[in-house]
Amino acid sequence: GENVEQHPSTLSVQEGDSAVIKCTYSDSASNYFPWYKQELGKRPQLIIDIRSNVGEKKDQRIAVTLNKTAKHFSLHITETQPEDSAVYFCAASGGSSASKIIFGSGTRLSIRP
Amino acid sequence: ETGVTQTPRHLVMGMTNKKSLKCEQHLGHNAMYWYKQSAKKPLELMFVYNFKEQTENNSVPSRFSPECPNSSHLFLHLHTLQPEDSALYLCASSQAVTGGGTDTQYFGPGTRLTVL
Repeated sequence: GENVEQHPSTLSVQEGDSAVIKCTYSDSASNYFPWYKQELGKRPQLIIDIRSNVGEKKDQRIAVTLNKTAKHFSLHITETQPEDSAVYFCAASGGSSASKIIFGSGTRLSIRP
Repeated sequence: ETGVTQTPRHLVMGMTNKKSLKCEQHLGHNAMYWYKQSAKKPLELMFVYNFKEQTENNSVPSRFSPECPNSSHLFLHLHTLQPEDSALYLCASSQAVTGGGTDTQYFGPGTRLTVL
C-alpha cells in the first residue's frame, strides 16, 4: 500500500529565513498531493496542493514542487514569520484506491524571533 | 470554521460503554472522512464515505462502526474500546472522491476521546 515519509520531524528556523519540508511516496499512481497546516489546538487546514500534471505551484510565500520520477514533493516557505509556527503534514492521494489518502508523520516548524 | 462541526468535543468512557461521535458538514460536500490523531500516528485515515457509500476502511477494528445516513452527516459508533483508542477523532469533508483522488478536505474541530 501507499506509504508517505516526511522529513524532518522538527525544524527550527530564524524568522525571515526559508523552511523546506520534504516528503516521499511509494505509490507511483498517486496524483494529488496536499499540504496541511495544524496550529496548536486547532484543526488541520489546507495551505497548498499540487496535482501530478504540474511540477511546481506557488502561492505568495508558499511553494510546492513535485518530482514524479523520484516520487518526492517538497514544501517551501520563504520569509518565515512567527505565525508560520505549526505542524505541517504532507499527504498523497489517488493511487491504487482513489479514496485513500495517506498523511506523512508531520513536521513541527518553529520560527525563532 | 463552522463548515464542519463535531459533537461532543470531549468524551470520557469506560471500556464497556457504547457511545457515538457525530459529524455534520454544511458545505454541500459529498465525501466524508474519519481520522484518528494520536502522538503515535499523527493523522491516520479510518473511513471514507463518498455519496453515502463507504469506499475505504483502513483496517479499522470492528469496535469502531461508522454510519453515513446522508451526505451531510457522519457517525462513529464506539463499543468495547480499549485505552489505546484514546485519541483525537477528526471528521473531514470534501467535494467528492473522483478518479483523481480526494480533493481539499475541511476538518472539524475533533472529539477528544479518553477511554478508561
